[in-house]
Amino acid sequence: GAVVSQHPSRVICKSGTSVKIECRSLDFQATTMFWYRQFPKKSLMLMATSNEGSKATYEQGVEKDKFLINHASLTLSTLTVTSAHPEDSSFYICSARLGGEGTDTQYFGPGTRLTVL
Amino acid sequence: AQSVTQLDSHVSVSEGTPVLLRCNYSSSYSPSLFWYVQHPNKGLQLLLKYTSAATLVKGINGFEAEFKKSETSFHLTKPSAHMSDAAEYFCVVSYSGGYQKVTFGTGTKLQVIP
Repeated sequence: GAVVSQHPSRVICKSGTSVKIECRSLDFQATTMFWYRQFPKKSLMLMATSNEGSKATYEQGVEKDKFLINHASLTLSTLTVTSAHPEDSSFYICSARLGGEGTDTQYFGPGTRLTVL
Repeated sequence: AQSVTQLDSHVSVSEGTPVLLRCNYSSSYSPSLFWYVQHPNKGLQLLLKYTSAATLVKGINGFEAEFKKSETSFHLTKPSAHMSDAAEYFCVVSYSGGYQKVTFGTGTKLQVIP
């Protein structure tokens, strides 16, 4: 149980284009999902918290107009990198929280490797 | 405020010998603590978690961790390393009261030598 998937696993795009990454909780409903970014040989950096049916909460320094997050259902959150540039190249990982407010176990997706040329 | 420190960025052990990955935390409240493992180009897999029950927590793949409040530590151990244990390990602290905030350690890369 508690499986989270991401699609695509790997994407290469041209500079200036937009890329959408999907995060799905396969066997549970997640009112809250999280989006992280991981640089090479670095730890995970929380970008934003995605809440079903409401606006995402972005961490300081993360451009909300560049990284659009939509959490339209209890099993799906999407991250759209708009007008991507080479510096946006990174490993993006989502997680979903199993349980409601007050529970704190996150289950992670397998990650999406984004390369912007 | 909460923080987590992984004392070693890189640990190397021989196959069959014990593993010790160190983690210290600070939290203003009673924390929840986790260890995750990440294999290359993969997502994170939950190894084990502590949530104020038993202080010695057993996880998957033979790993365990002991919560020591007096030392503010949550070190990860395994009696005998296997080649498949080679990966990056992250210690994570979370405070589940109110708005949840999760803080990751910087990671420890475990190398297992045949």
